[in-house]
Amino acid sequence: KQEVTQIPAALSVPEGENLVLNCSFTDSAIYNLQWFRQDPGKGLTSLLLIQSSQREQTSGRLNASLDKSSGRSTLYIAASQPGDSATYLCAVTNDYKLSFGAGTTVTVRA
Amino acid sequence: DGGITQSPKYLFRKEGQNVTLSCEQNLNHDAMYWYRQDPGQGLRLIYYSQIVNDFQKGDIAEGYSVSREKKESFPLTVTSAQKNPTAFYLCASSISLVKDTQYFGPGTRLTVL
Repeated sequence: KQEVTQIPAALSVPEGENLVLNCSFTDSAIYNLQWFRQDPGKGLTSLLLIQSSQREQTSGRLNASLDKSSGRSTLYIAASQPGDSATYLCAVTNDYKLSFGAGTTVTVRA
Repeated sequence: DGGITQSPKYLFRKEGQNVTLSCEQNLNHDAMYWYRQDPGQGLRLIYYSQIVNDFQKGDIAEGYSVSREKKESFPLTVTSAQKNPTAFYLCASSISLVKDTQYFGPGTRLTVL
């Protein structure tokens, strides 16, 4: 059974600092990995999707890397802003299902 | 506007009652999903559907039922057999199963009184 872990569970940084969020998974036979953002009481917004054959994806200030063999992904957010405050969830796809981590809750202090 | 809608936003249920959560999408996606989210936990898959008139159990299907009579609709019924139904329920859809980004609705918060 796939287990997805995100550490740390919470993170607080001053505005302008770069954010590094970690995700690890136990079964490396994945189709893809996604990073989502969730604001309190809201649904999920997809940020980046990395196919299993890719090493990284970039979108604006966001960059996600994937090391499938070691079961790890990292989401980098450059020059953080207060509007980046949210919970970030990592999810991997295998066996026709998404398996989610519990998320990292980020607070960016102005 | 294309997207996924869920209704109601908040739902209160008395013990022993069945309730149905609505999920509609106009993205022309084949695959649809229902997840449950509890505080401090990741999302857990309840049911998923690859095409109309077909659906499969996820990891925590006990006490729930679904139907997929139309491509755009995937309602979830929380039955009285679900022992701890208070949670945040999220519906999602994707072009196809597995390969594509899942798009999520705004969620329904269900509380059992």
